[in-house]
Amino acid sequence: EAGVTQFPSHSVIEKGQTVTLRCDPISGHDNLYWYRRVMGKEIKFLLHFVKESKQDESGMPNNRFLAERTGGTYSTLKVQPAELEDSGVYFCASSQDPPSYEQYFGPGTRLTVT
Amino acid sequence: GQSLEQPSEVTAVEGAIVQINCTYQTSGFYGLSWYQQHDGGAPTFLSYNALDGLEETGRFSSFLSRSDSYGYLLLQELQMKDSASYFCAVRGGGFKTIFGAGTRLFVKA
Repeated sequence: EAGVTQFPSHSVIEKGQTVTLRCDPISGHDNLYWYRRVMGKEIKFLLHFVKESKQDESGMPNNRFLAERTGGTYSTLKVQPAELEDSGVYFCASSQDPPSYEQYFGPGTRLTVT
Repeated sequence: GQSLEQPSEVTAVEGAIVQINCTYQTSGFYGLSWYQQHDGGAPTFLSYNALDGLEETGRFSSFLSRSDSYGYLLLQELQMKDSASYFCAVRGGGFKTIFGAGTRLFVKA
């Protein structure tokens, strides 16, 4: 069984540009989560999808961040326009339904905004 | 606010036992999880405690005291491959999971 995959693994963009991160959850997992980790700090919750619906987006920092999960399969997280403080590692995780305490994480996308 | 506190770094020698503590302050509590992350890798699930007491899984054990808002991860017979970051995480209301900042474990020969 394939695990959670994320693309790209690394992205370096300039301030003001747009970046789109993609996450493919484990097949059959209805729950999909996005997290961000800034160097040395906590893995911070961004949002939670159940199928294609946003269950909780309380962690999204501002309206420059847009997450979608059309069709309830893969998800994208777009940052537009990117700012320096958006740099960090963005993790995606998925879990079975009902939301299991065990989340399966992807390897993350390291975003660097210069 | 919601927060989890855990030591930033712990160093131990191969074969030893190490305990990584976690205290939490969250609105809503359903359980405490532990995840392991090697450099450049994905966090991987280790254990989950919903009730007070000790859960053992091989060389790893996890403890929870809900009255003290405290838990710990115990690693026995340390191996070099255990060098990694360890995160505690609280599953709160709405299935939202709050993570700590992680403890970097260095295992020395």
